[in-house]
Amino acid sequence: SQTIHQWPATLVQPVGSPLSLECTVEGTSNPNLYWYRQAAGRGLQLLFYSIGIGQISSEVPQNLSASRPQDRQFILSSKKLLLSDSGFYLCAGLQRATTEAFFGQGTRLTVV
Amino acid sequence: KQEVTQIPAALSVPEGENLVLNCSFTDSAIYNLQWFRQDHGKGLTSLLLIQSSQREQTSGRLNASLDKSSGRSTLYIAASQPGDSATYLCAVSPPTSGTYKYIFGTGTRLKVLA
Repeated sequence: SQTIHQWPATLVQPVGSPLSLECTVEGTSNPNLYWYRQAAGRGLQLLFYSIGIGQISSEVPQNLSASRPQDRQFILSSKKLLLSDSGFYLCAGLQRATTEAFFGQGTRLTVV
Repeated sequence: KQEVTQIPAALSVPEGENLVLNCSFTDSAIYNLQWFRQDHGKGLTSLLLIQSSQREQTSGRLNASLDKSSGRSTLYIAASQPGDSATYLCAVSPPTSGTYKYIFGTGTRLKVLA
């Protein structure tokens, strides 16, 4: 079965520092990949999605960017973090054959 | 713009009770609907996926139904257990040419009391 590995589980970063969150996928090839952010008490907000290597679409203009250098690798980055970037970041994948989404365990980011 | 609403926001029930969680969406043009469970501080675990042509799916003590025309889905949990305590999220995928961008509700936080 498909699995998403996401790390680190928690991260505390100072304002203005760079960010790199990575997720990798096992058990499937050529998945759609997604980055979501979940703010406390709120729903999941889709940030980026990718349907293939090097193909990134942004859903919300912001301080973040995403890249997909390999089929099963998805990276979320920032050059300079803001306090408002704090949140719970979730990487998700989707097999087009089943259209079922599967998620990683998330990264809790606190910007101080 | 598609909006997904889940009612109630929180629910507390005694162990053994059967319960229903509700999900409604504003645009009936969906590709599919998926129910997830999220334990506190963790990622999402897929529970059930219902394609738009289906009316229900079952897995163990869980049964999810879909009424696309009325924009509603329900998740039925039979004989609830304390281990069922979690937040339950529903998400719909619009029919957009292979992107499958799921839109999520804000969830129902369930607590099952022993």
